[in-house]
Amino acid sequence: EAGVAQSPRYKIIEKRQSVAFWCNPISGHATLYWYQQILGQGPKLLIQFQNNGVVDDSQLPKDRFSAERLKGVDSTLKIQPAKLEDSAVYLCASSLESGRREHYEQYFGPGTRLTVT
Amino acid sequence: SQQGEEDPQALSIQEGENATMNCSYKTSINNLQWYRQNSGRGLVHLILIRSNEREKHSGRLRVTLDTSKKSSSLLITASRAADTASYFCATDWVSGYSTLTFGKGTMLLVSP
Repeated sequence: EAGVAQSPRYKIIEKRQSVAFWCNPISGHATLYWYQQILGQGPKLLIQFQNNGVVDDSQLPKDRFSAERLKGVDSTLKIQPAKLEDSAVYLCASSLESGRREHYEQYFGPGTRLTVT
Repeated sequence: SQQGEEDPQALSIQEGENATMNCSYKTSINNLQWYRQNSGRGLVHLILIRSNEREKHSGRLRVTLDTSKKSSSLLITASRAADTASYFCATDWVSGYSTLTFGKGTMLLVSP
């Protein structure tokens, strides 16, 4: 079974530039997550999709971050404009189903390491 | 703020020894999960324990949950060098929908 795919693996940009990350979840997984992981910390949820609808984006800095999940499959996370504090690893995860107060394990992609200079 | 807090922040042991990590959280939960992260395999789910369970085993892993104390522990028995990684607890806490909140993690170093 293919895992969660992410690209690019690494990205270096200057502050105020824009960047986009792509994620392809495991086939059949209804729920897709984007996390931000700053060095030395645990992953922080940015946005959660159930199929192509947003379930939770309360921690997404909406003035600069945006995300979409086309046709309930692939997803793109964009940052525009980037700030120095956005330097982190951006992880995409998917799970079979999330709902009814039950939560299935999440499968994570390899992440994209973003450096903003 | 992050829901779970792992303790200790770092742990160094020899191969063959047991490793115990603890997680404390603040609000009521539906379940608690443990994940491992290393450079080779990324972030991987280890075990899930539901709020009505007290103990769960998976291979060399043993997880306990005490909802009255809002705490969980992860025990790795007979540790191996390959167990070297960061370990995170993640809580699925009661809200309108299901979502996970990760702690800061415990960094485990197992020396040969």
